[in-house]
Amino acid sequence: EVQLVESGGGLVQPGGSLRLSCAASGFTFPRHWMSWVRQAPGKGLEWVANIKEDESEKYYADSMRGRFTISRDNAKNSLYLQMNSLRAEDTAVYYCARGTLFWDSQSRSWYRGGGGIDYWGQGTLVSVSS
Amino acid sequence: ELTQPPSVSVSPGQTARIPCSGDALPKRYAYWYQQKSGQAPVLVIYEDSKQPSGIPERFSGSSSGTVATLTISGAQVEDEADYYCYSADSNGNHWVFGGGTKLTVL
Repeated sequence: EVQLVESGGGLVQPGGSLRLSCAASGFTFPRHWMSWVRQAPGKGLEWVANIKEDESEKYYADSMRGRFTISRDNAKNSLYLQMNSLRAEDTAVYYCARGTLFWDSQSRSWYRGGGGIDYWGQGTLVSVSS
Repeated sequence: ELTQPPSVSVSPGQTARIPCSGDALPKRYAYWYQQKSGQAPVLVIYEDSKQPSGIPERFSGSSSGTVATLTISGAQVEDEADYYCYSADSNGNHWVFGGGTKLTVL
């Protein structure tokens, strides 16, 4: 069973930092792109960042580039999000999410497909307030 | 940017259609997620029209031009939720969600 368990959320003052972690189990973590998605209270989903299997590619939403850093440790089956210079508008539930991966029986290889998300964690709440 | 109507309302057993428009959709797949109150999102359609295992067959998807559509044929009360479309920009590197559509079935 695929499991993604986020941790590290909490209350932090404006300008502060926080590091979120996501522990993955039930699948071959090093094969998948991974993402962070957030949801402000009462609002919609917002893509934050994603990272390739080997960390060679990382992409960020414009409002978070330069303040947030996504990383992973494939040996520990873990995904991370370092958040600096936090603002009140960063208050949200942060979800860890797995990218799709498919098996091609003809070529006998894995492929990413369209690149969307197929599984989500339950989220961790980050509150930025003085 | 992906645009969805804020709300859709149908009676039980009717067909609900939720559109999602975006300029890059002719080149990029759309994904659809269902989110019930207080829960994490769940994938209901991937790559425009494919159904994940375990999702009821009444959920289907299509895409034409700049509009992707999630269709729930014979909507049930338990389908009441927020639905989000998701896709990448034209380069495929940055992703965006639609604003979400609240489906009411009553």
